[in-house]
Amino acid sequence: GQQLNQSPQSMFIQEGEDVSMNCTSSSIFNTWLWYKQDPGEGPVLLIALYKAGELTSNGRLTAQFGITRKDSFLNISASIPSDVGIYFCAGPGSNYQLIWGAGTKLIIKP
Amino acid sequence: DAGVIQSPRHEVTEMGQEVTLRCKPISGHNSLFWYRQTMMRGLELLIYFNNNVPIDDSGMPEDRFSAKMPNASFSTLKIQPSEPRDSAVYFCASSLLTGDLYNEQFFGPGTRLTVL
Repeated sequence: GQQLNQSPQSMFIQEGEDVSMNCTSSSIFNTWLWYKQDPGEGPVLLIALYKAGELTSNGRLTAQFGITRKDSFLNISASIPSDVGIYFCAGPGSNYQLIWGAGTKLIIKP
Repeated sequence: DAGVIQSPRHEVTEMGQEVTLRCKPISGHNSLFWYRQTMMRGLELLIYFNNNVPIDDSGMPEDRFSAKMPNASFSTLKIQPSEPRDSAVYFCASSLLTGDLYNEQFFGPGTRLTVL
């Protein structure tokens, strides 16, 4: 079945640093989604990508839909403490379900 | 809108007891999803309903798990009997499916279940 591989699994960064994470798949997706889960909460949609090559920003976040449609990237510029959490990529599977990556945990060093 | 509401937020129970988790989806949404999240397995879809009808329950671990959606504004996930390996955070999410390839899922805050 379809699977999404996210990397890295976790990141320790200094406040102010830029962050990059990615998601890859062995099969093509027509939509890529990036969610963020704050500690103790449910995931919340950050960015949705619908077209190969698309680059979309949401504040300090920028996500790209890979040209091959088998990957996507999320970048966070000038990280701040509230960026802490788990970032998930996801894509539509069959029957309106979502296929989820395992998540990238972002930890900011004090 | 209040968003997806789940109760309880935390549940601690003993092995063998029945556990019932509750969810109220966003008003007007026609689909509801139950997920389980653990460190080992990540976010797993257990079951999802469309217009109150279960569409796919292939993620339900075993017969001890059951889910119902008696009306558009309420769903339950029941575990009977509970086991320590059921300890996890259970999320409910709802969505308005319109026939597009993708429709955003809105998650509740989750129920953290601990089975001793």
